[in-house]
Amino acid sequence: GAGVSQTPSNKVTEKGKYVELRCDPISGHTALYWYRQSLGQGPEFLIYFQGTGAADDSGLPNDRFFAVRPEGSVSTLKIQRTERGDSAVYLCASSLELYNEQFFGPGTRLTVL
Amino acid sequence: AQRVTQPEKLLSVFKGAPVELKCNYSYSGSPELFWYVQYSRQRLQLLLRHISRESIKGFTADLNKGETSFHLKKPFAQEEDSAMYYCALSGGSYIPTFGRGTSLIVHP
Repeated sequence: GAGVSQTPSNKVTEKGKYVELRCDPISGHTALYWYRQSLGQGPEFLIYFQGTGAADDSGLPNDRFFAVRPEGSVSTLKIQRTERGDSAVYLCASSLELYNEQFFGPGTRLTVL
Repeated sequence: AQRVTQPEKLLSVFKGAPVELKCNYSYSGSPELFWYVQYSRQRLQLLLRHISRESIKGFTADLNKGETSFHLKKPFAQEEDSAMYYCALSGGSYIPTFGRGTSLIVHP
């Protein structure tokens, strides 16, 4: 079956612009997670959803970052007024329930010039 | 606060040699520990978790609470084991904290 998909695979933008990153989880998975992975580091938790609601957004670095999952399936991570420091690979993962194995997407590589 | 330390950025061995990827953690409660692997051009995937106490692809990892370690071991490395390995810890929230990763290169 299809795994977690993320679009776009690469995104290049200019400082100050707005970007949206999309995640399609595995069908039927109720939990969805966003991570950010900077060069030479492990994934860093941003936010997770249980269904439609953000159950834990403690990892979002500031109020420029926002994520939604309006119908409990697809999720969009939104970054306003991008900064060069936002450049990273943004990973999405989903799991059947919160305590189950997480399945990762291929990531979106964001470059802010 | 929870923290995972992987002291080696790179580990280089020859095929057939034993491998030990080190992981130390800091957490005040009862942790759940994981090893994730990312092969070249593939996505991150779970390799094993300590509560399963199983061997996956010949790898094992034992949780040592006294030394706060969860080292990943394999007695005889294979070329296909070359990958990036991440140790991760979950506290009560089940959201993992990852280490920075160790790149394992197995030479023929």
